[in-house]
Amino acid sequence: EDKVVQSPLSLVVHEGDTVTLNCSYEVTNFRSLLWYKQEKKAPTFLFMLTSSGIEKKSGRLSSILDKKELFSILNITATQTGDSAIYLCAESGGSNYKLTFGKGTLLTVNP
Amino acid sequence: EPEVTQTPSHQVTQMGQEVILRCVPISNHLYFYWYRQILGQKVEFLVSFYNNEISEKSEIFDDQFSVERPDGSNFTLKIRSTKLEDSAMYFCASGSASGRGETQYFGPGTRLLVL
Repeated sequence: EDKVVQSPLSLVVHEGDTVTLNCSYEVTNFRSLLWYKQEKKAPTFLFMLTSSGIEKKSGRLSSILDKKELFSILNITATQTGDSAIYLCAESGGSNYKLTFGKGTLLTVNP
Repeated sequence: EPEVTQTPSHQVTQMGQEVILRCVPISNHLYFYWYRQILGQKVEFLVSFYNNEISEKSEIFDDQFSVERPDGSNFTLKIRSTKLEDSAMYFCASGSASGRGETQYFGPGTRLLVL
């Protein structure tokens, strides 16, 4: 059974649309929730969330964590074709901070 | 901006051969990791390394795998006798724990193909 579940698995939008990506996780040894963007190769870091209700923002991207309901969302406003990628959610847990990843959401932004 | 580097970027090997994948983590980081991603599947944790020893390993990380930090900068993953199913992208990551959480930064990966 997957510990980190992302939805949707894929999404196709047009430039300028706003998208919301979802991630639910289990609470065992939870430390933080991380979002990464994976284009061709390595996941590149977007956000790390540790506290509920505090929104983190970076340009058109923002993310928030709900530790009561055990989920996080990643919002992208005014999407651009360069936002096309797989967005990965990962739970950091345990004493060694290992990451448990979800399957990712494949976002395709069409011009 | 500091980054994690990995070599080689691609490696093709015959089944049963040994491979060594190399990583140079970010210099002031204390935690080091290897992950792998089989084509089309999710990123999976292999092993974490802290204070010069393995701190945690997954079920995937069996006796065929080993890690070393031979000097102050390199971090290596060795697969002793490769199998077809070891074909994957291998990512090294490093992080500096801050207590409440840790951001892990990933290297560009080594794509391993076992024939």
